Amino acid sequence: QVQLVESGGGVVQTGGSLRLSCAASGNYDIHWVRQAPGKGLEWVAFIRNDGSNRYYADSVKGRFTISRDSSKNTVFLQMNSLIPDDTAVYHCAKGGGIVVAGTFDPWGQGTLITVSS
Amino acid sequence: QSALTQPPSASGSPGQSVTISCTGTNSDVGGYDYVSWYQHHPGKAPKIMMYEVSKRPSGGPDRFSGSKSGNTAYLTVSGLQAEDEADYYCSSYAGSNNWVFGGGTRLTVL
Repeated sequence: QVQLVESGGGVVQTGGSLRLSCAASGNYDIHWVRQAPGKGLEWVAFIRNDGSNRYYADSVKGRFTISRDSSKNTVFLQMNSLIPDDTAVYHCAKGGGIVVAGTFDPWGQGTLITVSS
Repeated sequence: QSALTQPPSASGSPGQSVTISCTGTNSDVGGYDYVSWYQHHPGKAPKIMMYEVSKRPSGGPDRFSGSKSGNTAYLTVSGLQAEDEADYYCSSYAGSNNWVFGGGTRLTVL
């Protein structure tokens, strides 16, 4: 059974940095998806199980970096130059066999990031 | 990428059917058969209910079905049950290694 657990959330000031972790039960393709308070879901970033491909939403490109430590089955999301619009619950989710199909299954419960102005 | 358009709310009585729409463009919903649907009970992890438009995950209830016509995808819940009350989100591949979600629909079981 695939399990994903996020950690690293907290409160940070505008312009600050934070690193999120997603501990998985195996080495999988992983997406990060966020949900701002009262808003819908937003895809953020993706990394292939071997780290060979990484993709980013335009809203975070150049500020966020996704990486992984395969020896620890852990994926990281380094978030720099944070702005209030980045305030959200961040979920990691396992990608399906066909990358473009965008099947996010399963998901972690998420970790809350609050960026104060 | 612009978010897909979903109605903010939908409702039905137990046992009834309800359909939630998800409208995009030729660049996402209309361009690929890669639409998924997720059920989200606030405070819990979202759960996949449908993928590749009309495929149900293993163990998924067959009361849920999916379809697509042009730039709009649909999730139908038949035989509504109290536990179906949740937020539902659609998502679609949007090309160029990007994925887009809908704004979400709150389903209320009356």
